[in-house]
Amino acid sequence: KQEVTQIPAALSVPEGENLVLNCSFTDSAIYNLQWFRQDPGKGLTSLLLIQSSQREQTSGRLNASLDKSSGRSTLYIAASQPGDSATYLCAYKFYGQNFVFGPGTRLSVLP
Amino acid sequence: DTAVSQTPKYLVTQMGNDKSIKCEQNLGHDTMYWYKQDSKKFLKIMFSYNNKELIINETVPNRFSPKSPDKAHLNLHINSLELGDSAVYFCASSQASFEAFFGQGTRLTVV
Repeated sequence: KQEVTQIPAALSVPEGENLVLNCSFTDSAIYNLQWFRQDPGKGLTSLLLIQSSQREQTSGRLNASLDKSSGRSTLYIAASQPGDSATYLCAYKFYGQNFVFGPGTRLSVLP
Repeated sequence: DTAVSQTPKYLVTQMGNDKSIKCEQNLGHDTMYWYKQDSKKFLKIMFSYNNKELIINETVPNRFSPKSPDKAHLNLHINSLELGDSAVYFCASSQASFEAFFGQGTRLTVV
């Protein structure tokens, strides 16, 4: 069974801190990994996509890494801002399968 | 232009009714999905549709049926609605190993 876990489940930090969100999976035969952001009552916004052949991707203050051998991915957020407050979801796409989501990390950045 | 659009955004209906949710993507993607987000905010795959191949999550009741009139549309039809069907339903699309795009969601409330 393909499972995705995310740690921590919730995180509250003061503005300006650097953060690391963790995502782990049980099947190494991944196709790609995608990080999303979901604001309350809203849809999912794609943040970063890492192909299975890549080790990391960067977009602005966000950096996502992928280590297939250990079954882990991390999302690094630099210099956090109150506008970063949201739920962050990781999702893996396995070969021939659909995106499998983790339960999410609920982030609150306090001004 | 919205990449993946769903209608309606909100749907309130009585138990036993039949309802449909529409989804359209203008990205030219070859795969479309329906996901259900329950009260605990966990996203779970319901269906994926790729080149006329339908993959059904075995846990989905047969009261739910996807209908694809063409490559750009994947509608979700639900028969005999039950209280437990209340959730947010998300449509998504993707192309091969590239990133998935999600609609804004349809909040279904069964009363």
